[in-house]
Amino acid sequence: EAQVTQNPRYLITVTGKKLTVTCSQNMNHEYMSWYRQDPGLGLRQIYYSMNVEVTDKGDVPEGYKVSRKEKRNFPLILESPSPNQTSLYFCASSLRRTGGNTEAFFGQGTRLTVV
Amino acid sequence: ILNVEQSPQSLHVQEGDSTNFTCSFPSSNFYALHWYRWETAKSPEALFVMTLNGDEKKKGRISATLNTKEGYSYLYIKGSQPEDSATYLCAQKTSYDKVIFGPGTSLSVIP
Repeated sequence: EAQVTQNPRYLITVTGKKLTVTCSQNMNHEYMSWYRQDPGLGLRQIYYSMNVEVTDKGDVPEGYKVSRKEKRNFPLILESPSPNQTSLYFCASSLRRTGGNTEAFFGQGTRLTVV
Repeated sequence: ILNVEQSPQSLHVQEGDSTNFTCSFPSSNFYALHWYRWETAKSPEALFVMTLNGDEKKKGRISATLNTKEGYSYLYIKGSQPEDSATYLCAQKTSYDKVIFGPGTSLSVIP
């Protein structure tokens, strides 16, 4: 089954304790992306990756890191989480460019609370 | 327009009514326009991807149009049903691969 898998689904952590949210896709997609969703603000892109070893900043990259060592995985790293990073996070993947057929497939979401 | 905007923010319609909402986006650096349907407690699911000016797409009772020159897209739902209740998101993919989502239109269909 084609899917994007995020882990964990829920996480409560303390300020400053490094954490990683994993994302894996099995569709051989080149493009992967992380978003955060906050009430009233919609989905905002944190980082995206066009292919292995190619990443770029989205609209809200501060406080986050990513890596793309393999095509299927795109982990999101919070080196020193702060309470303003409490949010609902989504990972998504898609084909990069194939005549426009680039709709994203989303993971189940990770609800992160930083206290 | 520097951001992707959607209107209205929310909408309540009676079952059987037809409805439409708007997505406005910057016409520069345009690559594609996506529509997603997002139900509460689930993940967004793709409805349409449109790339060409004048594109029209249809899936059942839902259809969408695209005007890239003036920077807008319309989503239409014919004969709304309670199961259509969701937030509808549009997103612009730019020519440099960035994706910008609008804030969404929340639709409630009253039985």
